[in-house]
Amino acid sequence: GAGVSQSPSNKVTEKGKDVELRCDPISGHTALYWYRQSLGQGLEFLIYFQGNSAPDKSGLPSDRFSAERTGGSVSTLTIQRTQQEDSAVYLCASSLQGPRLNTEAFFGQGTRLTVV
Amino acid sequence: TQLLEQSPQFLSIQEGENLTVYCNSSSVFSSLQWYRQEPGEGPVLLVTVVTGGEVKKLKRLTFQFGDARKDSSLHITAAQPGDTGLYLCAGSNTGNQFYFGTGTSLTVIP
Repeated sequence: GAGVSQSPSNKVTEKGKDVELRCDPISGHTALYWYRQSLGQGLEFLIYFQGNSAPDKSGLPSDRFSAERTGGSVSTLTIQRTQQEDSAVYLCASSLQGPRLNTEAFFGQGTRLTVV
Repeated sequence: TQLLEQSPQFLSIQEGENLTVYCNSSSVFSSLQWYRQEPGEGPVLLVTVVTGGEVKKLKRLTFQFGDARKDSSLHITAAQPGDTGLYLCAGSNTGNQFYFGTGTSLTVIP
């Protein structure tokens, strides 16, 4: 596609439920990233994919968070047993190459998750 | 942890004024990017700088990368209401992520 696409745009869920957030990166981009942004704040790194593998999961806040990427393209971020502190905007980005190669990251519009 | 500190955190100015936003770190970055984010949207890339001392201009915006590649600045000339948004710097080096700054929220009052 022309840009990074995320779905849904907004998600309201009850505490304790599981949610899945989807990211479609720019076609041909090998690197994919998930970040989290609390209201008006900077971006918190969650996970980095190179192809289908995740060499860096260091930002995942707990074992309730997991992510996968298939076919070197679409990625899904899953949050199990959601808590109110999970409420945030979840942003996905992709880049042509990994971040060590002076590449540029392009972001989707984000998924606003609200846990009630 | 490779921290990028931005200052000021909040800035409210009148239309037509000039402003500078700073992005500082103790770490060296191989490249640094600036983004602008509007409410309800993802960050949009403005520029990438890769060479120490590099200066890039984008209309009324001037970006500079420090000689030691540890800091950067964004200068806006004659600010307009359309410049309002959250400005984020991000650096990359040997890590597996783009390290984002703390953000500067700019409001330009007509």
